Amino acid sequence: QSALTQPASVSGSPGQSITISCTGTSSVVGAYNYVSWYQQHPGKAPKLIIFDVSNRPPGVSYRFSGSKSGNTASLTISGLQADDEADYYCSAYTSSSTLYVFGTGTKVTVL
Amino acid sequence: QVQLQESGPGLVKPSQTLSLTCTVSGGSISGDIYYWSWIRQPAGKGLEWLGRFYTTGRTNYNPSLKSRLTISVDTSKNQFSLKLSSVTAADTAVYYCARGDFGEEFFDFWGQGTLVTVSS
Repeated sequence: QSALTQPASVSGSPGQSITISCTGTSSVVGAYNYVSWYQQHPGKAPKLIIFDVSNRPPGVSYRFSGSKSGNTASLTISGLQADDEADYYCSAYTSSSTLYVFGTGTKVTVL
Repeated sequence: QVQLQESGPGLVKPSQTLSLTCTVSGGSISGDIYYWSWIRQPAGKGLEWLGRFYTTGRTNYNPSLKSRLTISVDTSKNQFSLKLSSVTAADTAVYYCARGDFGEEFFDFWGQGTLVTVSS
């Protein structure tokens, strides 16, 4: 199962909004609303920030929001802050034996 | 709050077996209904799901590794383990253990990760 496609990098100035896309296929991303997003700071473990396309776990800032249209999921970070500078990975559940496919990852830079 | 901690050798020789353990604290590994996964990340690269173990006893493996991978659990120690046989340099990565809820398809708690290097 191929990795989901994300832009390699996205940048924005403090206070701006950015959106990261995550493109899969009709059997991955498109088939289920089981898309999650993870934030990973350098040298740290990934942290869950969005699950089931658009839900935030307790404690995650409202500035993070998720959506999905067809085979593409998106993560939007509004009011960009310095601490948002990190790598972001999407993940999707698939009914194939691979079960979970991750995205290629996006490096977010705060200018 | 649940915490996970990976442990094991940081260096493994090619063709040997990589063995890691994940110790769970702050909750029982056999309590409620969870699944326990292993995920890895080569340096500078993305994440790859390796496999999972359900507290019911069921396991699922990534087909790309199925012939080499075994995940098991020791409920008496609140630990679960990974064994990856016939390793090569391509298996060099940071290995994470993570938890998911039954019926939910995401990973809500992660260990800090442990670097395993395959080299002679």
